[in-house]
Amino acid sequence: SQQGEEDPQALSIQEGENATMNCSYKTSINNLQWYRQNSGRGLVHLILIRSNEREKHSGRLRVTLDTSKKSSSLLITASRAADTASYFCATDAGSNYQLIWGAGTKLIIKP
Amino acid sequence: GAGVSQSPRYKVAKRGQDVALRCDPISGHVSLFWYQQALGQGPEFLTYFQNEAQLDKSGLPSDRFFAERPEGSVSTLKIQRTQQEDSAVYLCASSGTSRYEQYFGPGTRLTVT
Repeated sequence: SQQGEEDPQALSIQEGENATMNCSYKTSINNLQWYRQNSGRGLVHLILIRSNEREKHSGRLRVTLDTSKKSSSLLITASRAADTASYFCATDAGSNYQLIWGAGTKLIIKP
Repeated sequence: GAGVSQSPRYKVAKRGQDVALRCDPISGHVSLFWYQQALGQGPEFLTYFQNEAQLDKSGLPSDRFFAERPEGSVSTLKIQRTQQEDSAVYLCASSGTSRYEQYFGPGTRLTVT
């Protein structure tokens, strides 16, 4: 069973716009990670945010975490065609190794 | 350096056949994970190794699924008597520290006909 739910399921925006994806989860976590998957490169780790952090940045990526609402958001600024991919959140659900994944958001960047 | 590699990339099996999927993790990575990913879904955990020890196999869907990592590096996922519902992408990931980011291979797409 999957712990996380991404929202929206699919998102289509123009190149240069910002894209926001949300993830909700069910149980307490130690950390939450975001991954990107496209056919060319497979699943790639983007960013990890710990349960005691509220916001984290990496290049054009900004992740927020609200543990009281059990939710996280991923913002991609100034989107590019190469950002077209599916984005997944994964939580450790308190385990020291097992990641539990959402169903992903499919992002399409239109040129 | 080299990433995680998996072979074969694609496998078509007739129902009832046995298949073996191979994973070469990043050299030195202690942790190795197998996931099953259905179309349009996120990965589902199958099993976890720390070195050669299989510490968790709770995600294996049936006793037809078997995984091993005898020398703590290369791992093989074996599926016996394949069924159509086994059709999926099988992903392998390795990690240097179990809590942190996992490095994924390209996956093996298994189609059972």
